[in-house]
Amino acid sequence: EAQVTQNPRYLITVTGKKLTVTCSQNMNHEYMSWYRQDPGLGLRQIYYSMNVEVTDKGDVPEGYKVSRKEKRNFPLILESPSPNQTSLYFCATGPGLAGYEQYFGPGTRLTVT
Amino acid sequence: GENVEQHPSTLSVQEGDSAVIKCTYSDSASNYFPWYKQELGKRPQLIIDIRSNVGEKKDQRIAVTLNKTAKHFSLHITETQPEDSAVYFCAASKVGGSNYKLTFGKGTLLTVNP
Repeated sequence: EAQVTQNPRYLITVTGKKLTVTCSQNMNHEYMSWYRQDPGLGLRQIYYSMNVEVTDKGDVPEGYKVSRKEKRNFPLILESPSPNQTSLYFCATGPGLAGYEQYFGPGTRLTVT
Repeated sequence: GENVEQHPSTLSVQEGDSAVIKCTYSDSASNYFPWYKQELGKRPQLIIDIRSNVGEKKDQRIAVTLNKTAKHFSLHITETQPEDSAVYFCAASKVGGSNYKLTFGKGTLLTVNP
């Protein structure tokens, strides 16, 4: 079954404590991306990756890091989380270009206190 | 960078009526325009998309129109049903270049009243 998985699904943490949200896909997609969703602001792209070792900034990359060491995984790293990073995070994957359908993961609800 | 404006932010219709959501974009080089539907508590899912070489695309009760000159595109839902109630997002992107960003509008909450 084609899947995009994210872990954890829910996380409450404190300011400054490093955390990683994992994203994994089994569809052999080249393209992977992270978005955050905030009320009234829609979906905003954080980072994306066109292939292994190829990553680029989206519209709101500040405070986040990513890596793409394997095709199937694209973790999102918050080195020093702050309360303004409290949000709903979605990972998405696609066949190769943003011009094709993106398949979203189930989302990760992050709260930073 | 690209900027996508979406209107209205909320839309309430009676079952069976039509619904129209409009978006404008700023980058004339954008050439791919998808629409995503997000039901409450669920992930966004693509419902229809259009490329800049096409002016209109239809899929059953859903259609999208694109006016490249005016830089706006619209989603049309006919014969609305309660299960159409959701948040709808438009987006714009440049396909084929080195930029693979997808910029979303802020969303429209559509409520279909039985």
